[in-house]
Amino acid sequence: AQKVTQAQTEISVVEKEDVTLDCVYETRDTTYYLFWYKQPPSGELVFLIRRNSFDEQNEISGRYSWNFQKSTSSFNFTITASQVVDSAVYFCAGRAGNMLTFGGGTRLMVKP
Amino acid sequence: ETGVTQTPRHLVMGMTNKKSLKCEQHLGHNAMYWYKQSAKKPLELMFVYSLEERVENNSVPSRFSPECPNSSHLFLHLHTLQPEDSALYLCASTMDLGSSYNSPLHFGNGTRLTVT
Repeated sequence: AQKVTQAQTEISVVEKEDVTLDCVYETRDTTYYLFWYKQPPSGELVFLIRRNSFDEQNEISGRYSWNFQKSTSSFNFTITASQVVDSAVYFCAGRAGNMLTFGGGTRLMVKP
Repeated sequence: ETGVTQTPRHLVMGMTNKKSLKCEQHLGHNAMYWYKQSAKKPLELMFVYSLEERVENNSVPSRFSPECPNSSHLFLHLHTLQPEDSALYLCASTMDLGSSYNSPLHFGNGTRLTVT
């Protein structure tokens, strides 16, 4: 069984602030993949980033960066210099086998 | 045009109606999914199809009946629904289930269903 926990249900920041979204993924599988998705008000889930369980290298892509630590099962996602257009619900998800399991989501509100 | 198209975008139906949700993907993928997104609940996987065969049925009531006539199309037939079935129904596709566990799912915009 897999479990994805996003403890933050809602975060509010002011534009240009940095914000980190937390995610904890629990599974007995040794090989798994982690994803972050963004859901704007239009409803479509947009794929942002992915990570596999055997690569703990942290990466930066533009204003996005992610920090995967296998020892703590955490897969955190940071947006630097947030913008109003970043306002959305962000979902962390884990995949082992056919199942892609989502966390409950974090609603991010970026105020001008 | 998005890679995954869902119709209709909004649907209101009574409990005795029969309706169908349609999903079409233009990405050449072989696996398709139905997810249900209710208010204040995580996304729930309903069904998974791989090469037109159902490989997952996540304890979904029989009033939801999926159909996958080919790898590009997925339907969700609805009948005698309950008000608690009101939700956003999301379709997704991915390359395949076998060797591509790291392949992301591509989602449609969803169908907002209201059962009255």
